[in-house]
Amino acid sequence: SSELTQDPAVSVALGQTVRITCQGDSLRSYYASWYQQKPGQAPVLVIYGKNNRPSGIPDRFSGSSSGNTASLTITGAQAEDEADYYCNSRDSSGNHRVVFGGGTKLTVL
Amino acid sequence: QVQLQESGPGLVKPSGTLSLTCAVSGGSISSSNWWSWVRQPPGKGLEWIGEIYHSGSTNYNPSLKSRVTISVDKSKNQFSLKLSSVTAADTAVYYCAREIGYCSSTSCYAGFDYWGQGTLVTVSS
Repeated sequence: SSELTQDPAVSVALGQTVRITCQGDSLRSYYASWYQQKPGQAPVLVIYGKNNRPSGIPDRFSGSSSGNTASLTITGAQAEDEADYYCNSRDSSGNHRVVFGGGTKLTVL
Repeated sequence: QVQLQESGPGLVKPSGTLSLTCAVSGGSISSSNWWSWVRQPPGKGLEWIGEIYHSGSTNYNPSLKSRVTISVDKSKNQFSLKLSSVTAADTAVYYCAREIGYCSSTSCYAGFDYWGQGTLVTVSS
């Protein structure tokens, strides 16, 4: 079982704002990284660190964190944002383990 | 632009050993990064398998640790995965990935910025 918890599914109307959350104790020490995965493709890093976007990621993607919860916000969701989204971090207990959330399927209506 | 490419057999018999290699191009495996293997069973989420540093230091997922070996070949700029005693539950797309990370005095981050395209490994007789 994943030690980062995500809602299995979220939907958003085209052009609206959606927040995808990730909860876990490790997030008190680590910022979450966020990945977008479309069917048949490898995951793509969209947010890392406090709120950093790799080159080429639209600025409608942003990240935030509070306590044990990290959030990925898409402001003005587009049809092409429909995908699975995963969070990840390192386990903060000292065993060096990398952990992933179970994933959230985002549907853009 | 760093690129990663997985290679290896797409079919492995039950109780056998799964062996994959990840070739790194456009960058050095001796950079200050950890290099990981991640898998994804059909229709399911991502599972971290383990990682290696160019020094040879490794960390493994405790749930797989007894069956996993990750090694590095700096001369070929590649790293490899061996997973022994496989069963149908090990059927998955296997990805290799480069990790980035940083720790300040108050917090850290870690993430995977480059991924291979993935290779499907099926365990079946």
